[in-house]
Amino acid sequence: EVQLVESGGGLIQPGGSLRLSCAASGFIVSSTYMTWVRHAPGEGLEWVSVLYRGGNSQYTESVKGRFTISRDNSKTTLYLQMNSLRAEDTAVYYCGRGYGSGSFDIWGQGTMVTVSS
Amino acid sequence: QSALTQPASVSGSPGQSITISCTGTSSDVGGYNYVSWYQHHPGKAPKLMIYDVTKWPSGVPDRFSGSKSGNTASLTISGLQAEDEADYYCCSYAGSYSWVFGGGTKLTVL
Repeated sequence: EVQLVESGGGLIQPGGSLRLSCAASGFIVSSTYMTWVRHAPGEGLEWVSVLYRGGNSQYTESVKGRFTISRDNSKTTLYLQMNSLRAEDTAVYYCGRGYGSGSFDIWGQGTMVTVSS
Repeated sequence: QSALTQPASVSGSPGQSITISCTGTSSDVGGYNYVSWYQHHPGKAPKLMIYDVTKWPSGVPDRFSGSKSGNTASLTISGLQAEDEADYYCCSYAGSYSWVFGGGTKLTVL
C-alpha cells in the first residue's frame, strides 16, 4: 500500500528546532517531487516547501533560511528541518507526493507542531 | 505569493449542484494548467479530487469536475451527497518551483 506517515512534531519554545520526518511505503521518495504543507489553527492550507527528483528545492518566503527539506539515502524518508521556530509556525504539517506535473496525490495524516513558551 | 481567493463557505441540499471559485493571477492560476483541488477534513489527510484543472484521479467520482477561465478556476460538485461535506482547497503552481493554495471553502450539505 502506498502511504506516507509523518512524525517528529511536538511542543517547542520559540527559537528552537525540530526535524519532521515523512516515512514513505510503497514507493521511493526520490522517484517524484515531494512537498510539505501546513495547516495553522483557524487558517487554510499553506504550501511550505518542495524537493524535486534532481535535488532542487524551494520554500515559501516566510520559512526561507530557517527550514530545510531533504531526503535520506535509502530514499524512503523525507525530512523538514525547522530552525528558529516562531509562534506563527504552529500548525499541522503534512507531507505529500507529487503527481503529474503540478499536484499531489498521496498525503500523510499530519504531525502537530506547537511553538510556544 | 498571496493565497488564492475562495469563498469562505458554500452550501447546498442533497442532489443539488454547487460551484466553488478560485481566483488568482496570471502568475499562478492564469499562467499554468496546474490547478488542483483537495478535499480536507481537518486533522486528516487531504484528498486530491481534481488535477491539471479538469482531470480526475482514480477513484474520484465524476460528480466532481473542474474548469478554468482566465485567472479563475472552479470546482463543481453535482448530485451533492452528505459525504461531500468538507473543506475544499484549490492549489496552483505559481512558477519558480512554488505552489500557492486558496484560503479554503467550507461546504455544508443541508
